[in-house]
Amino acid sequence: EPEVTQTPSHQVTQMGQEVILRCVPISNHLYFYWYRQILGQKVEFLVSFYNNEISEKSEIFDDQFSVERPDGSNFTLKIRSTKLEDSAMYFCASSALRGQFSYEQYFGPGTRLTVT
Amino acid sequence: GENVEQHPSTLSVQEGDSAVIKCTYSDSASNYFPWYKQELGKGPQLIIDIRSNVGEKKDQRIAVTLNKTAKHFSLHITETQPEDSAVYFCAADPFGNEKLTFGTGTRLTIIP
Repeated sequence: EPEVTQTPSHQVTQMGQEVILRCVPISNHLYFYWYRQILGQKVEFLVSFYNNEISEKSEIFDDQFSVERPDGSNFTLKIRSTKLEDSAMYFCASSALRGQFSYEQYFGPGTRLTVT
Repeated sequence: GENVEQHPSTLSVQEGDSAVIKCTYSDSASNYFPWYKQELGKGPQLIIDIRSNVGEKKDQRIAVTLNKTAKHFSLHITETQPEDSAVYFCAADPFGNEKLTFGTGTRLTIIP
C-alpha cells in the first residue's frame, strides 16, 4: 500500500540553524501539507501546497518557514533560523483530490525536530 | 476559525466493551470530519471519515455519527481489542479547503 515517507526521523539542531525536513508524498497525489505536533498537544495545520504554490497557511507559518517541491517526488519544509519553540513533531500529508468528492489526507510517520 | 473540542481526554475500557469519543465543532460550514488513530511514535492514521451529507457511517467495528444541527460527531468502537489502544484525534475541515483542525485527542486504553 502506498504511503507517505519522511526523512529524517529525528533531527537535532542548534538554535538559529536552518533545517530542511523532507517528505515523499504518495505518488499520484496532488495536494501536500505540513502539520506539526508539539509534544502532548494536538496536531496543528501549517501549510497546504498545490500546483507549486501555497494554497493556505496558518499563523504559525511565518517568514521563517518555506515549502518547496524541488522535483517530481519530494516536498520539503525549511525553517530558516530555528527557535526553541520550533521543537515538535512535523508531519507531512498528501491527498489525491480536494473539495467535495474525495479528500482523505494521509500522513507520514513524522520528523521529530529538537532545537537546542 | 474552526474550533474542535474533544472528550474525554483519556478513556479506559475493558476488552470487548465499546468505546465512544465525542467531538464538537464551531464552524457550521465544516463538511468533512475524519478520525485519526495515532500509535506511539507514528503518524496519524486515517481510520474513518464522514461528510456532512450523511448522518452515520460504519466500517466493521468502527462507526462515526454526525449531528449537524448540534455540531457534534462521535466515534464508536465496538468489541474493543488490545490493538485499539492508541490516541484518537477527531478533525474538521471548514469549507472543504483542506485545512484540518484537530481536536485535542483521546488516549484510549483497552484493559485485557
